[in-house]
Amino acid sequence: AQKVTQAQTEISVVEKEDVTLDCVYETRDTTYYLFWYKQPPSGELVFLIRRNSFDEQNEISGRYSWNFQKSTSSFNFTITASQVVDSAVYFCALIDPLGNDMRFGAGTRLTVKP
Amino acid sequence: DARVTQTPRHKVTEMGQEVTMRCQPILGHNTVFWYRQTMMQGLELLAYFRNRAPLDDSGMPKDRFSAEMPDATLATLKIQPSEPRDSAVYFCASGFPPGDLYEQYFGPGTRLTVT
Repeated sequence: AQKVTQAQTEISVVEKEDVTLDCVYETRDTTYYLFWYKQPPSGELVFLIRRNSFDEQNEISGRYSWNFQKSTSSFNFTITASQVVDSAVYFCALIDPLGNDMRFGAGTRLTVKP
Repeated sequence: DARVTQTPRHKVTEMGQEVTMRCQPILGHNTVFWYRQTMMQGLELLAYFRNRAPLDDSGMPKDRFSAEMPDATLATLKIQPSEPRDSAVYFCASGFPPGDLYEQYFGPGTRLTVT
């Protein structure tokens, strides 16, 4: 069975601080995809990144970076120099190799204070 | 800019009433997913269709929920009779795995309140 754990329920930081959101996953599949989604207060789910199980290179996109480590089954997300607009709930998700069963973590609510 | 659309965006209804939520997937996508989001359970997969055929609805309470895809441009999720515990945000998503590397495109959601 697939499972995604986001142990941090809520995080609060002050603007310009760096913050890392943790994600740990469980799967028996050797091929899988990991995702991060952002859910701002407006409620929609915004796709941030996808990573496949064969690509362990870290990725940076502006102030966002992702650290994928298969050895620890983790796919952590770091926001550098956080801004108030980063305040949202962030979800980590795992999908099976057939692209059917996507499992979401419980989400981490990030609040960035001015 | 192709998007998944959902109607209605908000629905308030009384317990016992029938509720129908609609989703228009992105043109060309062959897989449609229904999710429910609550504070207690988070985001749960209820059901999904591929090429209009139901593949899995094991996440859905069978006695009152039903999901259909009458044509390629419309997916529906029906609750009959509705109960207060059904209050949640219902998201529809579409994709065409393995295209786009399995990304699912989410609609804006239907916020359902059952009183």
